[in-house]
Amino acid sequence: EAGVAQSPRYKIIEKRQSVAFWCNPISGHATLYWYQQILGQGPKLLIQFQNNGVVDDSQLPKDRFSAERLKGVDSTLKIQPAKLEDSAVYLCASSLDGALSTDTQYFGPGTRLTVL
Amino acid sequence: AQSVTQLGSHVSVSEGALVLLRCNYSSSVPPYLFWYVQYPNQGLQLLLKYTSAATLVKGINDFEAEFKKSETSFHLTKPSAHMSDAAEYFCAVRPVYNQGGKLIFGQGTELSVKP
Repeated sequence: EAGVAQSPRYKIIEKRQSVAFWCNPISGHATLYWYQQILGQGPKLLIQFQNNGVVDDSQLPKDRFSAERLKGVDSTLKIQPAKLEDSAVYLCASSLDGALSTDTQYFGPGTRLTVL
Repeated sequence: AQSVTQLGSHVSVSEGALVLLRCNYSSSVPPYLFWYVQYPNQGLQLLLKYTSAATLVKGINDFEAEFKKSETSFHLTKPSAHMSDAAEYFCAVRPVYNQGGKLIFGQGTELSVKP
């Protein structure tokens, strides 16, 4: 079974530029998550989708971050414009159904973003 | 708000020694609890999870964790460390009443294994 795919793996940009990350979840998984992991910290949820609807985006900086999950499969996370503090690893995870108590999240390898 | 505290950002053990990584949660209602491992430049891999069944949970690679409600703890152990266990370990909670499945992670513990 293929895992969660993410691209690119690494990205270096200047501040104020824009960047986009792509995630392809495990086939059949209804729930998709984007986490931000700053160096030395645990991952923090940015946004959660159930199929193509947003369940939780309370910690997404909406003035610069946006995400979509068209057709309830792939997802794209965008940052525009980027700030220095956005340097982090962006992890995508998917699960069968986030509403289930026994649900397990499977993580992709992440995209390491460096903002100069 | 629920939170997770991992005691010790760095733990070093000798190969063959006991591994003990500590995790405490703050919640009036016991949440679901998870341990993940992260190898360099990789995503997180689930080691084990507690979802209100048996309090002693066995995971992959001989890791296990015990849920102790009275101590609000979910410490991770392994009887004998291998060099390949060197990685970052994260404890996470999922609030029981959070229907969305959001995980709240601790800050992580880096495990080093000395030969």
